[in-house]
Amino acid sequence: GAGVSQTPSNKVTEKGKYVELRCDPISGHTALYWYRQSLGQGPEFLIYFQGTGAADDSGLPNDRFFAVRPEGSVSTLKIQRTERGDSAVYLCASSPETGRADTQYFGPGTRLTVL
Amino acid sequence: QKEVEQNSGPLSVPEGAIASLNCTYSDRGSQSFFWYRQYSGKSPELIMSIYSNGDKEDGRFTAQLNKASQYVSLLIRDSQPSDSATYLCAVMEYGNKLVFGAGTILRVKS
Repeated sequence: GAGVSQTPSNKVTEKGKYVELRCDPISGHTALYWYRQSLGQGPEFLIYFQGTGAADDSGLPNDRFFAVRPEGSVSTLKIQRTERGDSAVYLCASSPETGRADTQYFGPGTRLTVL
Repeated sequence: QKEVEQNSGPLSVPEGAIASLNCTYSDRGSQSFFWYRQYSGKSPELIMSIYSNGDKEDGRFTAQLNKASQYVSLLIRDSQPSDSATYLCAVMEYGNKLVFGAGTILRVKS
Protein backbone atom coordinates (compact mmCIF):
# COMPACT_ATOMS: atom_id res chain seq x y z
CA GLY A 1 0.00 0.00 0.00
CA ALA A 2 0.98 3.65 -0.21
CA GLY A 3 3.40 4.94 2.37
CA VAL A 4 3.61 8.32 4.06
CA SER A 5 3.86 11.10 1.51
CA GLN A 6 5.15 14.63 2.00
CA THR A 7 4.98 17.70 -0.18
CA PRO A 8 6.88 19.56 -1.36
CA SER A 9 10.03 17.45 -1.48
CA ASN A 10 12.12 20.62 -1.51
CA LYS A 11 11.29 24.14 -0.44
CA VAL A 12 13.57 27.16 -0.78
CA THR A 13 12.41 30.36 0.85
CA GLU A 14 13.78 33.66 2.02
CA LYS A 15 14.31 34.66 5.60
CA GLY A 16 11.14 36.08 7.09
CA LYS A 17 8.73 34.25 4.79
CA TYR A 18 5.93 31.86 5.77
CA VAL A 19 5.99 28.20 4.69
CA GLU A 20 3.62 25.25 4.90
CA LEU A 21 4.73 21.64 4.73
CA ARG A 22 2.20 18.89 4.11
CA CYS A 23 2.06 15.28 5.28
CA ASP A 24 -0.26 12.51 4.10
CA PRO A 25 -0.04 9.58 6.53
CA ILE A 26 -0.62 5.93 5.72
CA SER A 27 -4.36 5.35 5.31
CA GLY A 28 -5.96 4.41 8.60
CA HIS A 29 -3.05 5.49 10.78
CA THR A 30 -4.38 7.55 13.65
CA ALA A 31 -1.08 8.76 15.04
CA LEU A 32 1.06 11.28 13.16
CA TYR A 33 4.41 12.74 14.13
CA TRP A 34 6.62 15.55 12.89
CA TYR A 35 10.39 15.46 13.32
CA ARG A 36 13.18 17.74 12.13
CA GLN A 37 16.59 16.44 11.07
CA SER A 38 19.63 18.64 10.71
CA LEU A 39 22.73 17.52 8.86
CA GLY A 40 24.70 14.92 10.78
CA GLN A 41 22.05 14.56 13.48
CA GLY A 42 19.23 12.17 14.21
CA PRO A 43 15.61 13.27 13.83
CA GLU A 44 14.36 15.55 16.60
CA PHE A 45 10.74 15.30 17.76
CA LEU A 46 8.49 18.28 17.13
CA ILE A 47 4.83 17.33 17.63
CA TYR A 48 2.56 14.28 17.86
CA PHE A 49 -1.11 14.04 16.86
CA GLN A 50 -3.54 11.37 17.96
CA GLY A 51 -6.51 11.90 15.67
CA THR A 52 -7.21 15.59 15.24
CA GLY A 53 -5.65 16.82 18.45
CA ALA A 54 -2.03 17.55 19.27
CA ALA A 55 -1.24 15.07 22.02
CA ASP A 56 2.26 16.43 22.58
CA ASP A 57 3.72 19.61 21.08
CA SER A 58 6.63 19.88 23.49
CA GLY A 59 9.20 19.67 20.70
CA LEU A 60 8.10 22.76 18.81
CA PRO A 61 11.06 25.14 19.22
CA ASN A 62 9.06 28.37 19.54
CA ASP A 63 5.75 29.99 18.66
CA ARG A 64 6.74 30.46 15.02
CA PHE A 65 6.01 26.78 14.55
CA PHE A 66 2.47 25.45 14.43
CA ALA A 67 0.86 22.27 13.10
CA VAL A 68 -2.70 21.22 12.39
CA ARG A 69 -4.54 18.04 11.48
CA PRO A 70 -8.15 19.20 11.13
CA GLU A 71 -9.74 15.98 9.86
CA GLY A 72 -7.46 13.46 11.51
CA SER A 73 -5.63 12.57 8.33
CA VAL A 74 -3.50 15.13 6.45
CA SER A 75 -1.34 17.39 8.59
CA THR A 76 0.28 20.72 7.80
CA LEU A 77 3.33 22.10 9.60
CA LYS A 78 3.41 25.88 9.42
CA ILE A 79 6.46 28.03 10.04
CA GLN A 80 6.14 31.80 10.31
CA ARG A 81 8.93 34.35 9.86
CA THR A 82 11.41 31.69 8.81
CA GLU A 83 15.01 31.95 9.96
CA ARG A 84 18.16 30.45 8.47
CA GLY A 85 18.37 28.12 11.45
CA ASP A 86 15.08 26.53 10.39
CA SER A 87 16.85 24.94 7.43
CA ALA A 88 16.60 21.17 7.84
CA VAL A 89 14.76 18.12 6.58
CA TYR A 90 11.27 17.94 8.06
CA LEU A 91 10.10 14.36 8.44
CA CYS A 92 6.60 13.11 9.02
CA ALA A 93 5.79 9.66 10.40
CA SER A 94 2.61 7.76 11.16
CA SER A 95 1.71 4.70 13.16
CA PRO A 96 -1.36 2.48 13.41
CA GLU A 97 -3.81 2.47 16.29
CA THR A 98 -3.59 -1.26 16.83
CA GLY A 99 -1.07 -3.97 16.21
CA ARG A 100 2.37 -2.41 16.04
CA ALA A 101 1.16 0.89 17.40
CA ASP A 102 4.67 1.86 18.47
CA THR A 103 6.11 1.45 14.99
CA GLN A 104 6.57 4.74 13.18
CA TYR A 105 6.80 4.77 9.39
CA PHE A 106 8.57 7.77 7.95
CA GLY A 107 7.82 9.75 4.84
CA PRO A 108 10.52 10.95 2.42
CA GLY A 109 10.78 14.34 4.10
CA THR A 110 10.72 17.94 2.95
CA ARG A 111 14.07 19.66 2.66
CA LEU A 112 13.61 23.27 3.74
CA THR A 113 16.27 25.80 2.86
CA VAL A 114 15.97 29.33 4.23
CA LEU A 115 18.21 31.81 2.42
CA GLN B 1 17.14 15.96 28.89
CA LYS B 2 16.86 12.31 27.91
CA GLU B 3 19.71 11.27 25.66
CA VAL B 4 20.68 8.55 23.24
CA GLU B 5 24.36 8.24 22.46
CA GLN B 6 26.01 6.59 19.49
CA ASN B 7 29.52 6.58 18.12
CA SER B 8 29.34 8.64 14.92
CA GLY B 9 31.88 6.47 13.11
CA PRO B 10 32.48 5.85 10.35
CA LEU B 11 32.68 2.17 11.13
CA SER B 12 34.42 0.36 8.29
CA VAL B 13 34.12 -3.40 7.88
CA PRO B 14 35.06 -5.71 5.01
CA GLU B 15 32.34 -7.44 3.05
CA GLY B 16 31.23 -10.62 4.78
CA ALA B 17 32.29 -9.49 8.25
CA ILE B 18 30.11 -8.76 11.27
CA ALA B 19 29.31 -5.11 11.91
CA SER B 20 28.60 -4.19 15.52
CA LEU B 21 26.77 -0.94 16.27
CA ASN B 22 26.25 0.30 19.80
CA CYS B 23 23.96 2.72 21.59
CA THR B 24 23.46 3.86 25.19
CA TYR B 25 20.47 5.69 26.62
CA SER B 26 19.91 7.76 29.71
CA ASP B 27 16.28 7.05 30.69
CA ARG B 28 16.26 3.94 32.85
CA GLY B 29 12.47 3.69 32.45
CA SER B 30 12.57 3.27 28.67
CA GLN B 31 10.82 0.16 27.39
CA SER B 32 10.92 0.26 23.59
CA PHE B 33 13.99 0.44 21.41
CA PHE B 34 14.42 0.69 17.67
CA TRP B 35 17.09 0.59 15.00
CA TYR B 36 16.52 2.57 11.82
CA ARG B 37 18.65 2.53 8.69
CA GLN B 38 19.02 5.74 6.71
CA TYR B 39 20.60 5.90 3.29
CA SER B 40 22.06 9.22 2.22
CA GLY B 41 19.28 11.61 1.20
CA LYS B 42 16.56 9.20 2.23
CA SER B 43 14.25 8.88 5.24
CA PRO B 44 14.77 6.46 8.15
CA GLU B 45 13.61 2.89 7.60
CA LEU B 46 12.80 0.64 10.56
CA ILE B 47 14.87 -2.53 10.60
CA MET B 48 14.54 -3.83 14.18
CA SER B 49 12.57 -3.27 17.36
CA ILE B 50 13.34 -4.81 20.76
CA TYR B 51 11.55 -4.62 24.08
CA SER B 52 13.01 -7.35 26.33
CA ASN B 53 16.48 -8.05 27.61
CA GLY B 54 18.45 -10.43 25.45
CA ASP B 55 18.78 -11.01 21.74
CA LYS B 56 16.30 -10.71 18.90
CA GLU B 57 17.24 -12.05 15.50
CA ASP B 58 15.76 -11.20 12.09
CA GLY B 59 17.68 -12.53 9.12
CA ARG B 60 21.19 -11.11 9.15
CA PHE B 61 20.30 -8.63 11.90
CA THR B 62 20.45 -9.24 15.65
CA ALA B 63 19.41 -6.63 18.19
CA GLN B 64 20.67 -6.94 21.76
CA LEU B 65 19.24 -5.18 24.80
CA ASN B 66 20.64 -4.86 28.30
CA LYS B 67 18.38 -2.64 30.39
CA ALA B 68 20.58 -2.85 33.48
CA SER B 69 23.47 -1.36 31.52
CA GLN B 70 21.14 0.87 29.43
CA TYR B 71 22.74 -0.48 26.30
CA VAL B 72 21.36 -1.53 22.92
CA SER B 73 23.34 -2.98 20.06
CA LEU B 74 22.80 -4.11 16.49
CA LEU B 75 24.84 -6.84 14.84
CA ILE B 76 24.83 -7.24 11.08
CA ARG B 77 26.19 -10.59 9.93
CA ASP B 78 27.69 -11.19 6.48
CA SER B 79 27.83 -7.44 5.85
CA GLN B 80 27.18 -6.36 2.28
CA PRO B 81 28.08 -3.11 0.49
CA SER B 82 24.33 -2.40 0.34
CA ASP B 83 24.35 -2.22 4.16
CA SER B 84 26.45 0.94 3.93
CA ALA B 85 24.26 3.60 5.53
CA THR B 86 23.72 5.54 8.73
CA TYR B 87 22.18 3.48 11.52
CA LEU B 88 20.02 5.37 13.98
CA CYS B 89 19.23 4.08 17.45
CA ALA B 90 15.91 5.34 18.85
CA VAL B 91 14.27 5.05 22.25
CA MET B 92 10.57 5.60 22.77
CA GLU B 93 9.61 8.06 25.49
CA TYR B 94 6.32 8.40 27.27
CA GLY B 95 3.82 9.71 24.76
CA ASN B 96 5.17 7.71 21.84
CA LYS B 97 7.83 10.17 20.78
CA LEU B 98 11.14 8.75 19.62
CA VAL B 99 14.44 10.11 20.87
CA PHE B 100 17.16 9.40 18.32
CA GLY B 101 20.89 9.18 18.56
CA ALA B 102 22.97 11.05 16.01
CA GLY B 103 23.60 7.83 14.12
CA THR B 104 26.61 5.68 13.22
CA ILE B 105 27.89 5.69 9.66
CA LEU B 106 28.65 2.17 8.46
CA ARG B 107 30.82 1.52 5.43
CA VAL B 108 31.12 -2.00 4.06
CA LYS B 109 34.11 -2.38 1.76
CA SER B 110 33.95 -4.86 -1.09
